[in-house]
Amino acid sequence: TQLLEQSPQFLSIQEGENLTVYCNSSSVFSSLQWYRQEPGEGPVLLVTVVTGGEVKKLKRLTFQFGDARKDSSLHITAAQPGDTGLYLCAGRDGSSNTGKLIFGQGTTLQVKP
Amino acid sequence: DTGVSQNPRHKITKRGQNVTFRCDPISEHNRLYWYRQTLGQGPEFLTYFQNEAQLEKSRLLSDRFSAERPKGSFSTLEIQRTEQGDSAMYLCASSMRRGGREYGYTFGSGTRLTVV
Repeated sequence: TQLLEQSPQFLSIQEGENLTVYCNSSSVFSSLQWYRQEPGEGPVLLVTVVTGGEVKKLKRLTFQFGDARKDSSLHITAAQPGDTGLYLCAGRDGSSNTGKLIFGQGTTLQVKP
Repeated sequence: DTGVSQNPRHKITKRGQNVTFRCDPISEHNRLYWYRQTLGQGPEFLTYFQNEAQLEKSRLLSDRFSAERPKGSFSTLEIQRTEQGDSAMYLCASSMRRGGREYGYTFGSGTRLTVV
């Protein structure tokens, strides 16, 4: 069974601080996605990383895929209250054509003004 | 196209009743997925369709759950004899599978089910 473990599960920080969320697995994934979810809404895709070692930037957010495609990280620089939400990583099975995603348990981020 | 649409947004039902949820995917998408999410957790895969064919079902999908996509467009998820443990957010997603790659994976806003 493929599992993705996210850490930390909860993070409460002040506006302007930096943070990193980690997503780790013992399994290889063909791609890994990061989502942000607001209460009562569905997850919204932030980025997809496909190549081992790949780094993608989205404004103040930096995403990295591990060289072995088993882990990923999300780094936020100078966090803003608008960054508050549930951050989810999700991997796609590297060994099959299935499109199903395996999700981590999520990181709840609270950014205080 | 307004994205993936799910109805109803909220459903409160008594234990033992049957409920049915509907998902309308993005019109050109050929794949449709159902996930379940409990509070503070990530979504868990339930089942998915490519066109009208149901290609995979999770062990989470007990025999009280059934999903259909009769014409390869909208899908329904029915839960029979609901239990309190079925209370969760039920999420639908759709995508286009073409040439061995998958595009445009998009989630709906979900249906929040509360079983009392």
